[in-house]
Amino acid sequence: SQQGEEDPQALSIQEGENATMNCSYKTSINNLQWYRQNSGRGLVHLILIRSNEREKHSGRLRVTLDTSKKSSSLLITASRAADTASYFCATALLILTGGGNKLTFGTGTQLKVEL
Amino acid sequence: DVKVTQSSRYLVKRTGEKVFLECVQDMDHENMFWYRQDPGLGLRLIYFSYDVKMKEKGDIPEGYSVSREKKERFSLILESASTNQTSMYLCASSHRGLRRGQPQHFGDGTRLSIL
Repeated sequence: SQQGEEDPQALSIQEGENATMNCSYKTSINNLQWYRQNSGRGLVHLILIRSNEREKHSGRLRVTLDTSKKSSSLLITASRAADTASYFCATALLILTGGGNKLTFGTGTQLKVEL
Repeated sequence: DVKVTQSSRYLVKRTGEKVFLECVQDMDHENMFWYRQDPGLGLRLIYFSYDVKMKEKGDIPEGYSVSREKKERFSLILESASTNQTSMYLCASSHRGLRRGQPQHFGDGTRLSIL
Protein backbone atom coordinates (compact mmCIF):
# COMPACT_ATOMS: atom_id res chain seq x y z
CA SER A 1 0.00 0.00 0.00
CA GLN A 2 1.23 3.49 -0.73
CA GLN A 3 2.16 5.66 2.20
CA GLY A 4 3.10 8.98 0.70
CA GLU A 5 0.63 11.11 -1.18
CA GLU A 6 2.00 14.22 -2.83
CA ASP A 7 0.10 17.41 -3.38
CA PRO A 8 -0.25 18.99 -5.87
CA GLN A 9 0.02 16.40 -8.64
CA ALA A 10 1.31 19.07 -11.00
CA LEU A 11 2.78 22.52 -10.47
CA SER A 12 3.76 25.13 -13.03
CA ILE A 13 5.71 28.24 -11.98
CA GLN A 14 7.95 30.92 -13.41
CA GLU A 15 11.70 30.86 -13.05
CA GLY A 16 12.75 32.61 -9.85
CA GLU A 17 9.58 31.70 -7.94
CA ASN A 18 9.48 29.27 -5.05
CA ALA A 19 7.92 25.81 -5.42
CA THR A 20 6.29 23.99 -2.52
CA MET A 21 5.28 20.35 -2.59
CA ASN A 22 3.51 18.52 0.20
CA CYS A 23 3.49 14.90 1.25
CA SER A 24 1.12 13.13 3.64
CA TYR A 25 1.53 9.62 5.00
CA LYS A 26 -0.37 7.21 7.20
CA THR A 27 1.81 5.32 9.68
CA SER A 28 4.90 5.82 11.83
CA ILE A 29 8.18 6.18 9.98
CA ASN A 30 11.93 6.04 10.65
CA ASN A 31 12.70 8.84 8.21
CA LEU A 32 11.30 10.52 5.12
CA GLN A 33 13.21 11.07 1.90
CA TRP A 34 12.67 13.23 -1.16
CA TYR A 35 13.77 12.21 -4.64
CA ARG A 36 13.82 13.86 -8.02
CA GLN A 37 13.30 12.17 -11.39
CA ASN A 38 14.05 13.74 -14.73
CA SER A 39 12.01 12.45 -17.65
CA GLY A 40 13.04 8.93 -18.65
CA ARG A 41 15.75 8.67 -15.99
CA GLY A 42 16.18 7.07 -12.59
CA LEU A 43 15.52 8.76 -9.26
CA VAL A 44 18.10 10.95 -7.56
CA HIS A 45 18.13 11.33 -3.80
CA LEU A 46 17.72 14.94 -2.66
CA ILE A 47 17.36 15.03 1.10
CA LEU A 48 16.57 12.82 4.08
CA ILE A 49 14.89 13.98 7.29
CA ARG A 50 14.74 11.74 10.35
CA SER A 51 11.60 11.33 12.44
CA ASN A 52 13.12 13.33 15.32
CA GLU A 53 13.99 16.29 13.07
CA ARG A 54 11.61 19.10 12.16
CA GLU A 55 13.46 20.98 9.44
CA LYS A 56 16.43 20.43 7.19
CA HIS A 57 18.18 22.51 4.54
CA SER A 58 20.35 21.61 1.59
CA GLY A 59 21.28 24.41 -0.81
CA ARG A 60 18.01 25.76 -2.27
CA LEU A 61 16.00 22.94 -0.70
CA ARG A 62 14.15 23.14 2.60
CA VAL A 63 12.27 20.17 4.01
CA THR A 64 9.96 20.16 7.00
CA LEU A 65 8.48 17.22 8.84
CA ASP A 66 5.48 17.24 11.17
CA THR A 67 5.10 13.76 12.63
CA SER A 68 1.97 14.75 14.58
CA LYS A 69 0.23 15.60 11.30
CA LYS A 70 2.08 12.91 9.36
CA SER A 71 3.10 15.39 6.72
CA SER A 72 6.19 16.84 5.07
CA SER A 73 6.88 19.65 2.66
CA LEU A 74 9.65 20.32 0.17
CA LEU A 75 10.40 23.92 -0.72
CA ILE A 76 12.62 24.78 -3.68
CA THR A 77 13.62 28.43 -3.56
CA ALA A 78 14.50 30.61 -6.57
CA SER A 79 13.54 27.87 -9.00
CA ARG A 80 15.32 27.37 -12.32
CA ALA A 81 14.23 25.79 -15.58
CA ALA A 82 16.62 22.93 -14.76
CA ASP A 83 14.47 22.11 -11.70
CA THR A 84 11.75 20.84 -14.06
CA ALA A 85 11.24 17.21 -13.01
CA SER A 86 9.00 14.92 -10.96
CA TYR A 87 9.51 14.95 -7.22
CA PHE A 88 8.67 12.02 -4.97
CA CYS A 89 8.48 11.64 -1.24
CA ALA A 90 9.29 8.25 0.24
CA THR A 91 8.55 7.08 3.75
CA ALA A 92 11.17 4.81 5.26
CA LEU A 93 10.92 1.90 7.65
CA LEU A 94 13.90 -0.02 8.96
CA ILE A 95 14.63 -3.37 7.36
CA LEU A 96 14.71 -5.47 10.51
CA THR A 97 16.53 -8.41 8.99
CA GLY A 98 19.55 -6.53 7.78
CA GLY A 99 19.38 -2.79 8.32
CA GLY A 100 18.84 -0.01 5.82
CA ASN A 101 15.47 1.31 4.76
CA LYS A 102 12.48 -0.07 2.96
CA LEU A 103 10.93 2.85 1.09
CA THR A 104 7.32 3.41 0.08
CA PHE A 105 6.92 6.07 -2.59
CA GLY A 106 4.09 8.42 -3.37
CA THR A 107 2.82 9.16 -6.86
CA GLY A 108 4.88 12.34 -7.23
CA THR A 109 4.50 16.01 -8.11
CA GLN A 110 5.36 17.08 -11.66
CA LEU A 111 7.07 20.45 -11.48
CA LYS A 112 7.46 22.63 -14.55
CA VAL A 113 9.54 25.78 -14.29
CA GLU A 114 9.04 28.12 -17.21
CA LEU A 115 11.43 30.80 -18.41
CA ASP B 1 29.83 8.64 -7.33
CA VAL B 2 27.70 5.57 -6.87
CA LYS B 3 26.89 3.90 -10.11
CA VAL B 4 23.96 1.56 -10.55
CA THR B 5 23.86 0.10 -14.03
CA GLN B 6 20.89 -1.66 -15.57
CA SER B 7 21.71 -3.87 -18.52
CA SER B 8 19.12 -2.50 -20.96
CA ARG B 9 17.33 0.84 -21.32
CA TYR B 10 14.64 -0.62 -23.59
CA LEU B 11 13.49 -4.22 -23.98
CA VAL B 12 10.71 -5.82 -26.01
CA LYS B 13 9.63 -9.39 -25.25
CA ARG B 14 6.70 -11.65 -26.04
CA THR B 15 4.11 -13.07 -23.67
CA GLY B 16 5.21 -16.32 -22.10
CA GLU B 17 8.92 -15.60 -22.44
CA LYS B 18 11.26 -15.80 -19.47
CA VAL B 19 12.80 -12.36 -19.04
CA PHE B 20 15.94 -11.41 -17.13
CA LEU B 21 16.68 -7.86 -16.00
CA GLU B 22 20.17 -7.30 -14.65
CA CYS B 23 21.48 -4.68 -12.25
CA VAL B 24 25.03 -4.05 -11.10
CA GLN B 25 26.26 -1.57 -8.47
CA ASP B 26 29.86 -0.56 -7.83
CA MET B 27 29.71 0.79 -4.27
CA ASP B 28 29.76 -2.41 -2.23
CA HIS B 29 26.18 -1.79 -1.03
CA GLU B 30 24.61 -4.52 1.04
CA ASN B 31 21.00 -3.79 0.03
CA MET B 32 19.55 -3.93 -3.46
CA PHE B 33 15.98 -3.32 -4.62
CA TRP B 34 13.74 -3.79 -7.64
CA TYR B 35 10.80 -1.45 -8.28
CA ARG B 36 8.34 -1.00 -11.06
CA GLN B 37 6.98 2.41 -11.97
CA ASP B 38 3.62 2.93 -13.63
CA PRO B 39 1.78 6.20 -14.39
CA GLY B 40 -0.48 7.21 -11.52
CA LEU B 41 0.85 4.46 -9.25
CA GLY B 42 4.33 5.73 -8.45
CA LEU B 43 7.08 3.25 -7.60
CA ARG B 44 6.16 -0.09 -6.10
CA LEU B 45 8.66 -2.44 -4.49
CA ILE B 46 8.83 -5.90 -6.06
CA TYR B 47 11.68 -7.58 -4.16
CA PHE B 48 14.73 -6.60 -2.21
CA SER B 49 17.88 -8.29 -0.98
CA TYR B 50 19.95 -7.43 2.09
CA ASP B 51 22.79 -9.89 1.45
CA VAL B 52 24.06 -12.42 -1.05
CA LYS B 53 21.50 -15.19 -1.58
CA MET B 54 19.03 -13.41 0.73
CA LYS B 55 15.78 -11.96 -0.57
CA GLU B 56 12.51 -10.63 0.73
CA LYS B 57 9.22 -9.95 -0.98
CA GLY B 58 8.13 -6.40 -1.49
CA ASP B 59 4.60 -5.20 -2.09
CA ILE B 60 3.99 -6.79 -5.51
CA PRO B 61 6.13 -9.96 -5.87
CA GLU B 62 3.61 -12.03 -7.83
CA GLY B 63 4.91 -13.13 -11.21
CA TYR B 64 8.52 -12.21 -10.37
CA SER B 65 11.54 -13.84 -8.79
CA VAL B 66 15.04 -12.56 -8.03
CA SER B 67 18.57 -13.83 -7.77
CA ARG B 68 21.57 -12.47 -5.92
CA GLU B 69 24.59 -14.69 -6.33
CA LYS B 70 27.15 -11.90 -5.98
CA LYS B 71 27.04 -8.80 -3.81
CA GLU B 72 27.21 -6.37 -6.71
CA ARG B 73 24.58 -8.01 -8.92
CA PHE B 74 20.81 -8.36 -8.48
CA SER B 75 18.65 -9.94 -11.16
CA LEU B 76 14.90 -9.68 -11.63
CA ILE B 77 13.24 -12.59 -13.43
CA LEU B 78 9.83 -12.60 -15.05
CA GLU B 79 9.08 -16.33 -15.12
CA SER B 80 6.43 -16.12 -17.86
CA ALA B 81 6.01 -12.57 -19.10
CA SER B 82 2.51 -11.14 -19.40
CA THR B 83 1.26 -7.91 -20.93
CA ASN B 84 0.43 -6.47 -17.49
CA GLN B 85 4.14 -6.56 -16.71
CA THR B 86 4.81 -3.89 -19.31
CA SER B 87 6.37 -1.16 -17.21
CA MET B 88 9.47 0.82 -16.26
CA TYR B 89 11.69 -1.24 -13.96
CA LEU B 90 14.10 0.51 -11.62
CA CYS B 91 16.93 -1.01 -9.64
CA ALA B 92 18.38 0.66 -6.54
CA SER B 93 21.03 -0.02 -3.93
CA SER B 94 21.96 1.29 -0.49
CA HIS B 95 24.17 0.67 2.51
CA ARG B 96 22.66 -1.02 5.53
CA GLY B 97 23.32 1.75 8.07
CA LEU B 98 21.71 0.10 11.07
CA ARG B 99 19.21 2.55 12.60
CA ARG B 100 20.44 5.46 10.50
CA GLY B 101 18.56 6.59 7.44
CA GLN B 102 20.05 5.42 4.18
CA PRO B 103 19.36 6.96 0.78
CA GLN B 104 18.90 4.67 -2.19
CA HIS B 105 20.82 5.08 -5.43
CA PHE B 106 18.94 4.30 -8.62
CA GLY B 107 19.80 3.09 -12.08
CA ASP B 108 18.29 4.76 -15.14
CA GLY B 109 15.64 2.10 -15.53
CA THR B 110 14.62 -0.49 -18.11
CA ARG B 111 11.48 0.23 -20.09
CA LEU B 112 10.05 -3.23 -20.74
CA SER B 113 7.29 -3.89 -23.26
CA ILE B 114 5.57 -7.26 -23.37
CA LEU B 115 3.75 -7.89 -26.64
